[in-house]
Amino acid sequence: EAAVTQSPRNKVAVTGGKVTLSCNQTNNHNNMYWYRQDTGHGLRLIHYSYGAGSTEKGDIPDGYKASRPSQENFSLILELATPSQTSVYFCASGDHSYQAPLFGEGTRLSVL
Amino acid sequence: SQWGEENLQALSIQEGEDVTMNCSYKTYTTVVQWYRQKSGKGPAQLILIRSNEREKRSGRLRATLDTSSQSSSLSITGTLATDTAVYFCATDNQGGRALIFGTGTTVSVSP
Repeated sequence: EAAVTQSPRNKVAVTGGKVTLSCNQTNNHNNMYWYRQDTGHGLRLIHYSYGAGSTEKGDIPDGYKASRPSQENFSLILELATPSQTSVYFCASGDHSYQAPLFGEGTRLSVL
Repeated sequence: SQWGEENLQALSIQEGEDVTMNCSYKTYTTVVQWYRQKSGKGPAQLILIRSNEREKRSGRLRATLDTSSQSSSLSITGTLATDTAVYFCATDNQGGRALIFGTGTTVSVSP
């Protein structure tokens, strides 16, 4: 069954610390995405990838890095976490935006 | 943002009522998609409407697209309590590689 799995599901981090959010997909999709969701802003695109080894900036990439070491895995990295990065983060995979990317269940990150 | 206003940020209705939500977009697009997100879950696509379609139906859902005014609407007829969710419109960024979402409309349906 097609799936996108995010880990961890919940994370509390300290300001200035490094945070890595992981995403794994078993759908053999080429494209993967990271979004954050905040009240009043909907889902905003942070980074995306066309395939292993590629990363592209989305609409709000500042303060985030992404890594796509394989077809299945896509990580979001916060090198120096700040309280403004407290949010719910969603990973998704798809072959094309028209084909309804599959979303994971989200990671709730709190930066204190 | 390529999205303009999404009217009616939050709606509270009774089961059986109909509801319509709207959004407008700023840049040209060939496709508008509508998504539903239930509490604690990721968004899931409900309906996709292309620029050459003025209306698209799927069960109790009806989407419209007006390319001249760059706006789209989603209507749900005979709402159920299980329709309680946040509804988003979305279109693709340049190149069609990624979805860009509007800010969403929260719909609460009481039994």
